[in-house]
Amino acid sequence: ILNVEQSPQSLHVQEGDSTNFTCSFPSSNFYALHWYRWETAKSPEALFVMTLNGDEKKKGRISATLNTKEGYSYLYIKGSQPEDSATYLCAFREYGNKLVFGAGTILRVKS
Amino acid sequence: ETGVTQTPRHLVMGMTNKKSLKCEQHLGHNAMYWYKQSAKKPLELMFVYSLEERVENNSVPSRFSPECPNSSHLFLHLHTLQPEDSALYLCASSQKGTAGGTSTDTQYFGPGTRLTVL
Repeated sequence: ILNVEQSPQSLHVQEGDSTNFTCSFPSSNFYALHWYRWETAKSPEALFVMTLNGDEKKKGRISATLNTKEGYSYLYIKGSQPEDSATYLCAFREYGNKLVFGAGTILRVKS
Repeated sequence: ETGVTQTPRHLVMGMTNKKSLKCEQHLGHNAMYWYKQSAKKPLELMFVYSLEERVENNSVPSRFSPECPNSSHLFLHLHTLQPEDSALYLCASSQKGTAGGTSTDTQYFGPGTRLTVL
């Protein structure tokens, strides 16, 4: 059974703080790692998909890195804003197989 | 908007009722999925349809019955559910790679149906 772990489980920060969270996944048979952002009462929104060791992706103030050899990915948010409040999900995929999701990190940004 | 819609958004049903959840995708994708999310648990994959054929059934009880009449529509028929089936049910779609090709299979989700079984 594949295990995808996300930490921390939740995070409360002040507006303007930078923050990061971790996704850990099996380091064998890696194919892709996805990050999603999920705001309350909305659809999960795809942020990034990363496939190569050392990949770095950026979208505005949000960026992500990937280390497939050691089995982790970091998501960074620079200068958090209240609208960044959401649950951030990562999902791991082996080649030819289904996505396995972590339980998510809940981020709350206070103004 | 992700291009995936789900109805109803909320559903309350008794254990003896029969109801259906509907999902529609407007993205031209060739695969559709049902996921379940129970409180404080990761998303659990229930069913996968690829080119309208069921390709995965993750040991889901028979009281959940999926149907995919075409590549744009997916249903989840519910009957004689249990209170522990109360959860958020999410639909997703993706474009799977064709034979010989590759795809990172990014899935696009609907907003979910919040189901409560009394």
